[in-house]
Amino acid sequence: AQKITQTQPGMFVQEKEAVTLDCTYDTSDPSYGLFWYKQPSSGEMIFLIYQGSYDQQNATEGRYSLNFQKARKSANLVISASQLGDSAMYFCAMSSLQNHKLVFGAGTILRVKS
Amino acid sequence: GAVVSQHPSRVICKSGTSVKIECRSLDFQATTMFWYRQFPKKSLMLMATSNEGSKATYEQGVEKDKFLINHASLTLSTLTVTSAHPEDSSFYICSASPLTSGGADEQYFGPGTRLTVT
Repeated sequence: AQKITQTQPGMFVQEKEAVTLDCTYDTSDPSYGLFWYKQPSSGEMIFLIYQGSYDQQNATEGRYSLNFQKARKSANLVISASQLGDSAMYFCAMSSLQNHKLVFGAGTILRVKS
Repeated sequence: GAVVSQHPSRVICKSGTSVKIECRSLDFQATTMFWYRQFPKKSLMLMATSNEGSKATYEQGVEKDKFLINHASLTLSTLTVTSAHPEDSSFYICSASPLTSGGADEQYFGPGTRLTVT
């Protein structure tokens, strides 16, 4: 069974600073994908970044980067130069290429302070 | 980009009635659609996996007779909450996986439907 753990229920960050949102995972599948989604108060799920388990390099998408440490089974999200609009709930998720289902973590609420 | 719509975005219904929620992939064909349920400030819980032309696969603990899923075409899946009760009030989100997605890692989410049962 797959499991995603996000240990930070809530985080604060000062505007323009960087913040790291933690995510650890557990799976017995040899091939899997890791995702981060942002969910603002409107409820929509916004895809941020993806990391494949066999990708050699850490994924980056603009101000988002994924710190993938396979041996530690962690996939932390780093947001650089935080903006007020980054305030939202953030979910880490993983999928197995065997069943294609997404398993989500509990989420982290991020608040950016001005 | 890939767009998924849901209709309605909000619905209020009386206890005992049924409610249908539509999930459409607007600019791509989806072999697989997923239905999730989310309680306030909680995570998304997968309810069922819907494959075009076949019966949906429900997650453990989800009543298939309560939550009817139909995936009649490659662009439309529907979730019907039958005989709704107040405890069915929740945020329902669908996602769609494109036909061209070899590993089916890609899932595009709809904007969600907020159901309130009075």
